[in-house]
Formats: sequence, structure tokens, C-alpha cells
Amino acid sequence: KAGVTQTPRYLIKTRGQQVTLSCSPISGHRSVSWYQQTPGQGLQFLFEYFSETQRNKGNFPGRFSGRQFSNSRSEMNVSTLELGDSALYLCASSWTGGGANVLTFGAGSRLTVL
Amino acid sequence: AQRVTQPEKLLSVFKGAPVELKCNYSYSGSPELFWYVQYSRQRLQLLLRHISRESIKGFTADLNKGETSFHLKKPFAQEEDSAMYYCALSAPDNYGQNFVFGPGTRLSVLP
Repeated sequence: KAGVTQTPRYLIKTRGQQVTLSCSPISGHRSVSWYQQTPGQGLQFLFEYFSETQRNKGNFPGRFSGRQFSNSRSEMNVSTLELGDSALYLCASSWTGGGANVLTFGAGSRLTVL
Repeated sequence: AQRVTQPEKLLSVFKGAPVELKCNYSYSGSPELFWYVQYSRQRLQLLLRHISRESIKGFTADLNKGETSFHLKKPFAQEEDSAMYYCALSAPDNYGQNFVFGPGTRLSVLP
């Protein structure tokens, strides 16, 4: 079965712009979570969605937002980009998002902010 | 607050030597613990989780609640084990999902 698909894979933006990243989970998975991966901070949790509702949010500013659609696909948006937002953004899906659920990760969207 | 620490950023061992990647956590309840691995040019993927009590690719990990540790071990390292390893914690009593990942340990197995 198809894995977690993230688009676009690479993008370059300039400071002040905004960006939207997309994630299509594995068929049947209803929980989608987003992570930011950087060399300095490692993997940091952004937020998690289940049935179109944000259930958990990490410690990121309000410039970072997301949503989930009825087909479980999810998007995340970063507004007013800063240089420090350059990172690999990973999406992961799981069945229900419960604590013991295994995460299946996408390949990531690498964002470079100039 | 939940926290996961992995004291070694880089661990180098020779092929055939034993490997232990350390993971300690802080959490007041009963966590779910996982090891995820990222091989070069591949996606982050699950290696094993404590609830399954299984051995994957020769790796095992035992949850020690007294020491709040979940160290990953393999008796004889192989070159293909070279990768980035992340220890992760999920609190099952949280509503929704909120994994906390450790900073990762890069394992380099030398020939």
C-alpha cells in the first residue's frame, strides 16, 4: 500500500513569505502529526490532527498552523517565514493516534528560507 | 513534562562488537517507548517498541522503570546498522498523540 506522501519535497522561500506543505497519510490512518527536524534541535513536535480536529500542539509560535481535511489529508502553513524556519518538515500518520500507535513517516519537505 | 535524553551524539564501534545506545526518559506515568531509526537516504522508521518485547534486526531494548531507561542493545554490530537512532516516548494517557523524541545518536559501525 502507498506510504505517507509529502509535497513538495523541496522548496525555497524568502523571509516574510508564507508556505503550505501537504501530507497524504496511509489509507485508513486518521491521525496525522507534523514534526520539524533541524540539526540543532532534532525532532520537535508541531501538532497532531485527528478527524479534522487539532488534538495536540507543540511549543511553536502561532505562525505555524495546520488543518486536516475529511479524507485525512493534512496541510501545514507557516506564515511570515524566518531564516530559522529552514528545516525538514516531517509528517507522520497512524491509525488513531493513541499512545501506543506506531508512526509511519513521510520523506519530508525540505524548506530553505533565504 | 516529558523528556527523552540520549547522552551520545555519536557512537563508533567495530563490526562484531556489542552496541548499546542509551536512552533515559522523564515521565511521571507509564510511557510507551520506541526506537526509531533513519538509515542514510531513507525515511525515519520504527525499529522496535517496548510493548512488543521483540527483537528486530538483532536489536533488543528493555524498559527499566526504576532507572527510567530504555537502552538499545545488539550483541554483534553490523556495518548496515550504521544509522541515526532516535528514542521516543509517547504518553498513553494523553488525549491524542504527542511523541517526544530524543536528540538522536548516530551509530557508525566500522569495518
